[in-house]
Amino acid sequence: AQSVAQPEDQVNVAEGNPLTVKCTYSVSGNPYLFWYVQYPNRGLQFLLKYITGDNLVKGSYGFEAEFNKSQTSFHLKKPSALVSDSALYFCAVRDGVTGGGNKLTFGTGTQLKVEL
Amino acid sequence: NAGVTQTPKFRILKIGQSMTLQCAQDMNHNYMYWYRQDPGMGLKLIYYSVGAGITDKGEVPNGYNVSRSTTEDFPLRLELAAPSQTSVYFCASSSLGHGGYTFGSGTRLTVV
Repeated sequence: AQSVAQPEDQVNVAEGNPLTVKCTYSVSGNPYLFWYVQYPNRGLQFLLKYITGDNLVKGSYGFEAEFNKSQTSFHLKKPSALVSDSALYFCAVRDGVTGGGNKLTFGTGTQLKVEL
Repeated sequence: NAGVTQTPKFRILKIGQSMTLQCAQDMNHNYMYWYRQDPGMGLKLIYYSVGAGITDKGEVPNGYNVSRSTTEDFPLRLELAAPSQTSVYFCASSSLGHGGYTFGSGTRLTVV
């Protein structure tokens, strides 16, 4: 079975400071990893994904994520936070086995609050 | 450029009533999904489909049914609504190659 853990319910950061939203995963075989963002009363929007290759993945809105196989982590980062980054962030995983319906398992979400 | 369209956006049901949540995508994606989102619980998979005529249960299928008669449409049926089905429901689709999902804007359902 595949699973995702987001250990922090909320992360607070000052605008202009770097931010990190943590994610660890458990999956059989090689993982496909994703980050999504949800603004209030909206659906989830895709930010970035890791399938294979470079461990540092760059995505939308200046976000990036670092895949660490030994620590089974895929933390979301941004060098300089903006107030407009305030939202709910979800990490998701699926195993890399072909078939199985491409089913993603989502974490419980981390609320990011960026303050002036 | 519609993507995934869900209707209705809001609905209040009485206990025991039934309804269908509609989902349509115009990206020719083979895979479609229904998730429910509850506060602090993340998203839980209800049902999914890998193509027209093929559906399968997810993590929390009880109380729901789906059908997939066309590539575009994937309606979710609630029979005998219960308060435990109060939630926000999201439909999503994906192509196998991309891997990531495109989500609809959600349906907020309240059962009273």
